[in-house]
Amino acid sequence: DQQVKQNSPSLSVQEGRISILNCDYTNSMFDYFLWYKKYPAEGPTFLISISSIKDKNEDGRFTVFLNKSAKHLSLHIVPSQPGDSAVYFCAASQISGGGADGLTFGKGTHLIIQP
Amino acid sequence: GAVVSQHPSWVICKSGTSVKIECRSLDFQATTMFWYRQFPKQSLMLMATSNEGSKATYEQGVEKDKFLINHASLTLSTLTVTSAHPEDSSFYICSANRDFLYEQYFGPGTRLTVT
Repeated sequence: DQQVKQNSPSLSVQEGRISILNCDYTNSMFDYFLWYKKYPAEGPTFLISISSIKDKNEDGRFTVFLNKSAKHLSLHIVPSQPGDSAVYFCAASQISGGGADGLTFGKGTHLIIQP
Repeated sequence: GAVVSQHPSWVICKSGTSVKIECRSLDFQATTMFWYRQFPKQSLMLMATSNEGSKATYEQGVEKDKFLINHASLTLSTLTVTSAHPEDSSFYICSANRDFLYEQYFGPGTRLTVT
């Protein structure tokens, strides 16, 4: 039973355009969501996160939107650059009293930025 | 920053032997560290939560006697794969989060190949 789903295994976007990566979750106990970027044989790099009390968080070219009622979040990258080509993982967590629990990851979306 | 290192970056061992992987937080103290495993073309799966000075908490289906975790200090957690078998070949990644923050920062990973 996959609790975090990224239904698009790959996405191709032209340089300079907007990249939109989607993520759905099923566990209503999740209240903290993160996006990571990953290259093969490397650890994930943290990009941006959002708490369930917000519906939007922005950091430079990256914006994450959260729709709690739909259990859906998305990552927008604008403008897309060649260096953004990588696998992007959506992750979810439940914040407990002493800190966050371990993360539940989606399967990832391979973003390809075309020149 | 929030730098996490792992050692070794890759290791090849014979079936039946044990392998130790180290995870260190270099510029912060981590009371909690996490261990994940990633099989080829799969997502990252949480194996266990490592708490400094106490026993690790293992996810369902992860054998605690096979994957020994020790979190002896606020900057070091170790994962020992005991009596390794070829099916244990995988990419093992650790992470840590700084106190009062929920983002997890990942190490570069360790590629284990059991022959």
